Amino acid sequence: GAGVSQSPSNKVTEKGKDVELRCDPISGHTALYWYRQSLGQGLEFLIYFQGNSAPDKSGLPSDRFSAERTGGSVSTLTIQRTQQEDSAVYLCASSLDGTTGNEQYFGPGTRLTVT
Amino acid sequence: RKEVEQDPGPFNVPEGATVAFNCTYSNSASQSFFWYRQDCRKEPKLLMSVYSSGNEDGRFTAQLNRASQYISLLIRDSKLSDSATYLCVVNLGNYGQNFVFGPGTRLSVLP
Repeated sequence: GAGVSQSPSNKVTEKGKDVELRCDPISGHTALYWYRQSLGQGLEFLIYFQGNSAPDKSGLPSDRFSAERTGGSVSTLTIQRTQQEDSAVYLCASSLDGTTGNEQYFGPGTRLTVT
Repeated sequence: RKEVEQDPGPFNVPEGATVAFNCTYSNSASQSFFWYRQDCRKEPKLLMSVYSSGNEDGRFTAQLNRASQYISLLIRDSKLSDSATYLCVVNLGNYGQNFVFGPGTRLSVLP
């Protein structure tokens, strides 16, 4: 079946512009996660959705970052007034639900470059 | 102390070697455990879940020691295609941000 998909796969933007990244989770998965990964670094948790609500936004690095999820499916991560330090790969993952034992499946990521 | 710790490596081993990775976690309430692999410039992919009794999948064996709070991954008869970064992942249970990823151990299998 279809896995997690993300778009765009690559995004180059100028400093100060807003960007929107999209994630389509696996059908039927209620939990959705956003991470980012800088070159050569580990995964940095950003935000978690259970259904349409985000019980944990603790990882969002600043108020320039926001995310929403509608219909319990597609999620968008928005970065306003992008900075060069926002350059990274943004990964989305989904799992059946947010409970123990349900492994996460990752999308291919969006590579964001801020010039 | 970090929540999940791994030896960053790199581990450089010849083809056919057996290699073992360890991972330690700090939260004794952790409830489930996984190994993921991540190829260069790709997303992490689930390798295997880790069960209390230990489990094996082909050349890969995972073990869990709750008392000592560590997880291990053993790769036998390593192949060139096993070259990747191996991520230890711990799930704390309950709803919320409950997956904690280790920094990963890099493996290079050499011809």
